[in-house]
Amino acid sequence: SQQGEEDPQALSIQEGENATMNCSYKTSINNLQWYRQNSGRGLVHLILIRSNEREKHSGRLRVTLDTSKKSSSLLITASRAADTASYFCATDYSGSGNTGKLIFGQGTTLQVKP
Amino acid sequence: KAGVTQTPRYLIKTRGQQVTLSCSPISGHRSVSWYQQTPGQGLQFLFEYFSETQRNKGNFPGRFSGRQFSNSRSEMNVSTLELGDSALYLCASSLKGQGPREQYFGPGTRLTVT
Repeated sequence: SQQGEEDPQALSIQEGENATMNCSYKTSINNLQWYRQNSGRGLVHLILIRSNEREKHSGRLRVTLDTSKKSSSLLITASRAADTASYFCATDYSGSGNTGKLIFGQGTTLQVKP
Repeated sequence: KAGVTQTPRYLIKTRGQQVTLSCSPISGHRSVSWYQQTPGQGLQFLFEYFSETQRNKGNFPGRFSGRQFSNSRSEMNVSTLELGDSALYLCASSLKGQGPREQYFGPGTRLTVT
């Protein structure tokens, strides 16, 4: 399968704590994106990091990318109950012909307890 | 701007029937992608359209087809439905047709095949 793997599959933390999710992928990529999904609804784009970038920040989100290890991590700082959702990494891999085809990981389910 | 809309939101069909799902992208977006989400297989890419042309197709049988109209609205069709086609079908649009781009997802159509 071309799909990446995410770790952990589930994460439960207290409000105010940091949450870290990891993603590994298999092929060379153009970019990697993180999405959030609430309760089986549509996905919301969080952040995009290009293959030549190593780190990117957006508000309370910090994403790192290590192309030599084919891995990425998403850090959510000072988590809130509203951050409870499933988080997916998605790769735009180099062989997609630049058509925007995304390969999604299996996702990490995050629960933030108030 | 209105977001990506999908109709219908919920659908129940019987094995052997066919179904058509509709997606209206964000105004000005010309790229539309479709994904299938199931608990077992996760999020899988179905196809992507740009300017009425299918540019990429995932590993799905020929029963799955789609098209895009001149106003960028897209439809996907599944013929001879099987129980395994029960899933959340997500449509996503993007502004750019190439290069790194985030995708905006609709709320999805939940299809149940009985």
